[in-house]
Amino acid sequence: DAGVIQSPRHEVTEMGQEVTLRCKPISGHDYLFWYRQTMMRGLELLIYFNNNVPIDDSGMPEDRFSAKMPNASFSTLKIQPSEPRDSAVYFCASRDGGGTLSYEQYFGPGTRLTVT
Amino acid sequence: GENVEQHPSTLSVQEGDSAVIKCTYSDSASNYFPWYKQELGKRPQLIIDIRSNVGEKKDQRIAVTLNKTAKHFSLHITETQPEDSAVYFCAARGWEGGATNKLIFGTGTLLAVQP
Repeated sequence: DAGVIQSPRHEVTEMGQEVTLRCKPISGHDYLFWYRQTMMRGLELLIYFNNNVPIDDSGMPEDRFSAKMPNASFSTLKIQPSEPRDSAVYFCASRDGGGTLSYEQYFGPGTRLTVT
Repeated sequence: GENVEQHPSTLSVQEGDSAVIKCTYSDSASNYFPWYKQELGKRPQLIIDIRSNVGEKKDQRIAVTLNKTAKHFSLHITETQPEDSAVYFCAARGWEGGATNKLIFGTGTLLAVQP
């Protein structure tokens, strides 16, 4: 398996623009997590899905952020409009939840977002 | 909700020495504690984890200990090598009246192993 795939790997955009980050989880994994990593705030959970359904979005900073998971192999995190303080590395992670005792989350390579 | 504190924020050791990183958690019901290693510019990767029904787990040069009474757990790395240099994150499974599927991460420890 190729692991968790994220695109783009780097994104530079201007303040006010819409940004869409994409994630493909490991096949067969039914949990998907979106994290944001900054020096100041560390690794923060934004939202997670189980079987494509959003379970907890309490970490989503504000209405400018939205996430979807239209099917088991694809998720998006959208920021509209983007602001300089959104600059961070965004990680997607997935986990197998069906009948396994492992809680290990597998992280993607991340998307480094810079908003100027 | 669960809160995880991690110390120290930076740690420098000589190659061959041991390194210890400590974390405390707030909810006594939490039952799963993983450690992730993140090399510069890379993704976090699980290196070891422990569940609340055991007090210690070892994997070669890495060990994790758990003290449920004191609500703290520690990562021990022996015979450190330069390739151990990275940021290490502890985490605890979230507990909000019951187990959740969230991991609450500590703030990370930058470990530098000096050759």
